[in-house]
Amino acid sequence: EAQVTQNPRYLITVTGKKLTVTCSQNMNHEYMSWYRQDPGLGLRQIYYSMNVEVTDKGDVPEGYKVSRKEKRNFPLILESPSPNQTSLYFCASNPFPAGPTGELFFGEGSRLTVL
Amino acid sequence: QQPVQSPQAVILREGEDAVINCSSSKALYSVHWYRQKHGEAPVFLMILLKGGEQKGHEKISASFNEKKQQSSLYLTASQLSYSGTYFCGTEQTGANNLFFGTGTRLTVIP
Repeated sequence: EAQVTQNPRYLITVTGKKLTVTCSQNMNHEYMSWYRQDPGLGLRQIYYSMNVEVTDKGDVPEGYKVSRKEKRNFPLILESPSPNQTSLYFCASNPFPAGPTGELFFGEGSRLTVL
Repeated sequence: QQPVQSPQAVILREGEDAVINCSSSKALYSVHWYRQKHGEAPVFLMILLKGGEQKGHEKISASFNEKKQQSSLYLTASQLSYSGTYFCGTEQTGANNLFFGTGTRLTVIP
């Protein structure tokens, strides 16, 4: 089954404790992206990747890191989480190498709470 | 760069029509529309490309005015299943990014 898988789905952590949210897609998509969703603010892009070893900042990259060592994986790293990073996170992928011109396939979301 | 959506929320009775608008200050290459049910991931509805035709699916259709950088989503004869939050996503000409609006919460009541 074609899908984007995120883990963990739910996480409660404390300020400063490094964490990684994994994202994996099995559709051989070049384009992958991370969004955070907060009430009233919609979906805001954190980072995106056009292909392996190619990543770029989105709208709200501060406090986050990403890597794209393999085509299928695009982990989101919070080196020192803070309470303002409490949010619902979505990973998405798209088959078009030139960008998201086509359907974005979303993962189920990861709800992160930073105390 | 985030597109502006209006209205922020709308309540309809079954069978009524609704229009959701999306506008950008940037030159657009494409506009995407997604619907998100509570607690779920956004689901793709349609995409409109610059120079393309109006797209539609059953009773949900959309238009893209390239000159005004605006798109509208039309929901006709609404059903209870249409309830959710609708997001437009805009891809600017020359960019490789998709920016989403803040969403329009649509509630359909019997």
